[in-house]
Amino acid sequence: DQQVKQNSPSLSVQEGRISILNCDYTNSMFDYFLWYKKYPAEGPTFLISISSIKDKNEDGRFTVFLNKSAKHLSLHIVPSQPGDSAVYFCAASEPVSFSSNTGKLIFGQGTTLQVKP
Amino acid sequence: EAQVTQNPRYLITVTGKKLTVTCSQNMNHEYMSWYRQDPGLGLRQIYYSMNVEVTDKGDVPEGYKVSRKEKRNFPLILESPSPNQTSLYFCASSLAYNYGYTFGSGTRLTVV
Repeated sequence: DQQVKQNSPSLSVQEGRISILNCDYTNSMFDYFLWYKKYPAEGPTFLISISSIKDKNEDGRFTVFLNKSAKHLSLHIVPSQPGDSAVYFCAASEPVSFSSNTGKLIFGQGTTLQVKP
Repeated sequence: EAQVTQNPRYLITVTGKKLTVTCSQNMNHEYMSWYRQDPGLGLRQIYYSMNVEVTDKGDVPEGYKVSRKEKRNFPLILESPSPNQTSLYFCASSLAYNYGYTFGSGTRLTVV
């Protein structure tokens, strides 16, 4: 059962406009959420993260929003640039606890973003 | 340069022939992990390690083994590879479980 879902396989936007990538999760115990960007033939690179105690985190053109009641997070890229064209993965981490050695990171399926010049 | 290095980048092998994919990080990270990427399934965790001699199964551990004898190295072992293990594999390391992982460049494995 997929605990982290990205329901849109692809998204296309015009340069300069806003890109909104969405992610849904099912496990209310997740305590950190992260976004990664991946170019072809490269490993994913960390983009931005948010703690479950916050609802927004901003880093330059990238903002992540977290709606815990809806178990939904989104990544906003403003303004979008052609170099942002890549696959974006959201991921969620389970907290480390005494009852389990978890702390693993669970990824969604990814959304391919294309930013057109 | 801070990095995660995995080798080889590409590997074609035959069913049942044992292989090892190496992974090394130079950032003194506690956490290391192996993922496989398959179309439509995203990145799925195979195994992870929180420190030397501490490893645990991820979501798809069947058919894989790992070891963490030194902090910097985390090899992935396929004792008897099968065609369903054909995939793109990534090794990653992190300072802590809630920090961003640094990923290697990937290993494209084909089992025929």
